[in-house]
Amino acid sequence: DGGITQSPKYLFRKEGQNVTLSCEQNLNHDAMYWYRQDPGQGLRLIYYSQIVNDFQKGDIAEGYSVSREKKESFPLTVTSAQKNPTAFYLCASSIGPGQLVPNTEAFFGQGTRLTVV
Amino acid sequence: KNEVEQSPQNLTAQEGEFITINCSYSVGISALHWLQQHPGGGIVSLFMLSSGKKKHGRLIATINIQEKHSSLHITASHPRDSAVYICAVISDSGGGADGLTFGKGTHLIIQP
Repeated sequence: DGGITQSPKYLFRKEGQNVTLSCEQNLNHDAMYWYRQDPGQGLRLIYYSQIVNDFQKGDIAEGYSVSREKKESFPLTVTSAQKNPTAFYLCASSIGPGQLVPNTEAFFGQGTRLTVV
Repeated sequence: KNEVEQSPQNLTAQEGEFITINCSYSVGISALHWLQQHPGGGIVSLFMLSSGKKKHGRLIATINIQEKHSSLHITASHPRDSAVYICAVISDSGGGADGLTFGKGTHLIIQP
């Protein structure tokens, strides 16, 4: 079945370490997105990619980095520069930019809960 | 700047009750989405609306474009409906990079 796979589901990181969150999709979607969710706040866009080898900063990109070497994969690295990395991270994909959730044409992953210890 | 406000923030009800969750937004939109996030964190798209009303099972979503308001109703609520319900809008002026602005969500608990 097609879908988005995020891994791991739970991740613990020591302060000062970089950590990479995986996001893979087999939907043949061009656009992929990373969101951060904090308690009591809406989803906030970190980075997005509309096509392979291209990506753009979202609203809260500082302390994060991404790559898009393959259409299927959009890993997110949380660097030591991110001051408050403990959060729930969601990856999503869609057929094209600006249409994240048009009925069934876009999908969210199950999320990764990152905790800094 | 487009603001999306949901109410209530938290709602606890008894099984069988009729549930209403509201969403108001401040700018013109091309579409509005209702999403459901279960305790594990995964998000599912319930509806996309640009006008009128949609129904799927016990869920009903309505939108009033003139009043910039949408509601999500759940009839004959059940404990398995317990989740966070999120409203998201696509601005007709282009919006952000992904075109979406999300509400903060409504945390619904249905007690047996």
